[in-house]
Amino acid sequence: QFQLQESGPGLVKPSETLSLACSVSGGSISNYYWTWIRQSPGKGLEWIGYIYYSGRTNYNPSLKSRVTISVDTSTNQFSLMLSSVTAADTAIYYCARHGRTGNYFYFDYWGQGILVTVSS
Amino acid sequence: DIQMTQSPSSLSASVGDRVTITCRASQFISSDLNWYQQNPGKAPKLLIYAASSLQSGVPSRFSGSGSGTVFTLTISSLQPEDFATYYCQQNYNIPRTFGQGTKVEVK
Repeated sequence: QFQLQESGPGLVKPSETLSLACSVSGGSISNYYWTWIRQSPGKGLEWIGYIYYSGRTNYNPSLKSRVTISVDTSTNQFSLMLSSVTAADTAIYYCARHGRTGNYFYFDYWGQGILVTVSS
Repeated sequence: DIQMTQSPSSLSASVGDRVTITCRASQFISSDLNWYQQNPGKAPKLLIYAASSLQSGVPSRFSGSGSGTVFTLTISSLQPEDFATYYCQQNYNIPRTFGQGTKVEVK
């Protein structure tokens, strides 16, 4: 049974970089895709991007210029960096696992979420 | 981006009611459609994947159907723990996108 836990600062200043980590327990980070999703009242649920354990990434084009997702298999963690943040980036950030059955993918394990507020 | 539109945005129902939520994709997504349930202050929980496959541990009163551009989530007999917000999500194209949600409230 996988468990995911987000960590990082809950307050980030405008124009700075948001940095979050997701710790994975209960199983290996290997052989799976891992994703970041955020939720704000104004934009609902928004997929940010994913990373494969090998390091291959895919990002939401709307955020691509500001997003970096990385993985550390030695610590069973993956991370999110979002640069040049504004108030519009205020949201609850979730990390999640891509489960897979055949050619179908879905988000089957989620962290509890972490509220990040962008404010000076 | 593929736009996912859910209807209704909210509904009022009673325990024991049959509830149906519709999700429409702005373009063809085959059966690459997932449904999630979210309770206040909690992360979304996977209910249905591949349009109609029940996730392990999810009660059988939940079912999904559809393919192409129109999909439905049905709760055959609403239970007290089912009052929540439901989201559809397409996995056919990048970026992955979600519907705006349907809130199921107590009548």
